[in-house]
Amino acid sequence: DVVMTQSPLSLPVTPGEPASISCRSSQSLLHINGYNYLDWYLQKPGQSPQLLIYLNSNRASGVPDRFSGSGSGTDFTLNISRVEAEDIGIYYCMQALHTPHSFGQGTKLEIK
Amino acid sequence: QVQLVQSGAEVKKPGSSVKVSCKASGGNFKSYNINWVRQAPGQGLEWMGGIIPIIGKGQYAQKFQGRVTITADESTSTAYMELSSLRSEDTAVYYCARDLLPVGLGDPWNGMDVWGQGTTVTVSS
Repeated sequence: DVVMTQSPLSLPVTPGEPASISCRSSQSLLHINGYNYLDWYLQKPGQSPQLLIYLNSNRASGVPDRFSGSGSGTDFTLNISRVEAEDIGIYYCMQALHTPHSFGQGTKLEIK
Repeated sequence: QVQLVQSGAEVKKPGSSVKVSCKASGGNFKSYNINWVRQAPGQGLEWMGGIIPIIGKGQYAQKFQGRVTITADESTSTAYMELSSLRSEDTAVYYCARDLLPVGLGDPWNGMDVWGQGTTVTVSS
């Protein structure tokens, strides 16, 4: 199975400042079609997870443009250009190329 | 607006089975794949398997092979996840989540963009 490793696991951020989360996979997520099958999800406190980014860099509907995804192969990054209070929660990367799909351990973003 | 509404919380004895439902509304059930993801207390997310209702065959993570059965009823736009031989480690919130099947020249994967509210399953003697 593909192992997804996120860092950091805890991320205290001052509102208005940028934030970055790294995700590494044990196998390449680059399909021969040229797409990287890497998603980012946010689980806000007490809620179901919500999709932020799919195929590495595509923002889901309604996701603010301060969220962006980048990377290729086995190394990926989620960037938040200016963190807002509503962004608190746990961020998960997930690979969708190999079965079973697998998630990272999660990164808890909190406001300083 | 597409919604996935799951069945209510369950308390089960070790060794028994649980069946959780996930009813879709507001969209075309035939254009979905339905995934099942669980989250143990204080833990991360774990993908269990999925089903494309129009095909009707479930796909499962090896970890759950032989214990989980995922089915779908197109007539009621409802997917089901049944987990057998329950043990205390199966205590978790179980989520269903859809991903849209790729269409034409569109994106080959659209992420799991709609999630159910979660169903708490507690396994305790």
